[in-house]
Amino acid sequence: DAKTTQPPSMDCAEGRAANLPCNHSTISGNEYVYWYRQIHSQGPQYIIHGLKNNETNEMASLIITEDRKSSTLILPHATLRDTAVYYCIVRVHGGSNYKLTFGKGTLLTVNP
Amino acid sequence: GAVVSQHPSRVICKSGTSVKIECRSLDFQATTMFWYRQFPKQSLMLMATSNEGSKATYEQGVEKDKFLINHASLTLSTLTVTSAHPEDSSFYICSARDQGGLSYGYTFGSGTRLTVV
Repeated sequence: DAKTTQPPSMDCAEGRAANLPCNHSTISGNEYVYWYRQIHSQGPQYIIHGLKNNETNEMASLIITEDRKSSTLILPHATLRDTAVYYCIVRVHGGSNYKLTFGKGTLLTVNP
Repeated sequence: GAVVSQHPSRVICKSGTSVKIECRSLDFQATTMFWYRQFPKQSLMLMATSNEGSKATYEQGVEKDKFLINHASLTLSTLTVTSAHPEDSSFYICSARDQGGLSYGYTFGSGTRLTVV
């Protein structure tokens, strides 16, 4: 699986948009970009994933650059409950035995 | 959506004893489950891949005789930490994927905080 690079930490004001970047310059054509987050002392939670088109769901938006070498997760209106470590993972889609490998992620702190 | 239940959420045990952690897929069948370990302020580290009806696959550096994994059914995998020592104190997390469900990836349990005293 391709390696990802994320900033170790970011701050965001409550109610503002949080934009979390991820670099994955070695991504291959059949690899998807997944985002998970982990709130303190809980298991990771799936947020969103995409291949090359921008994606949006009830939690967030995912913007993937045209060359697919980087992406941005957008939380449109961050709340205090969004404070968590956010992980960007690149891997091949499908197959139940494909393992997820976590990097260090970005600690997002949402401030009141 | 897919739910993975992990039990217990917290356990304290004496050094030298064994502890069993259960991971259940509640509303789907999981032929494969994954076990992770997370030390404070660190990321999740994959320990092993649990396969229903066959032996688990362990990551490099993980002692298979110390961390026994049993995946006897399509909805249950167990991790037993044998002869636990204080350095085994950690946050253990399991995950599984619902092959028949939405293709949004893996569902994680809520984790088990193990403290060995």
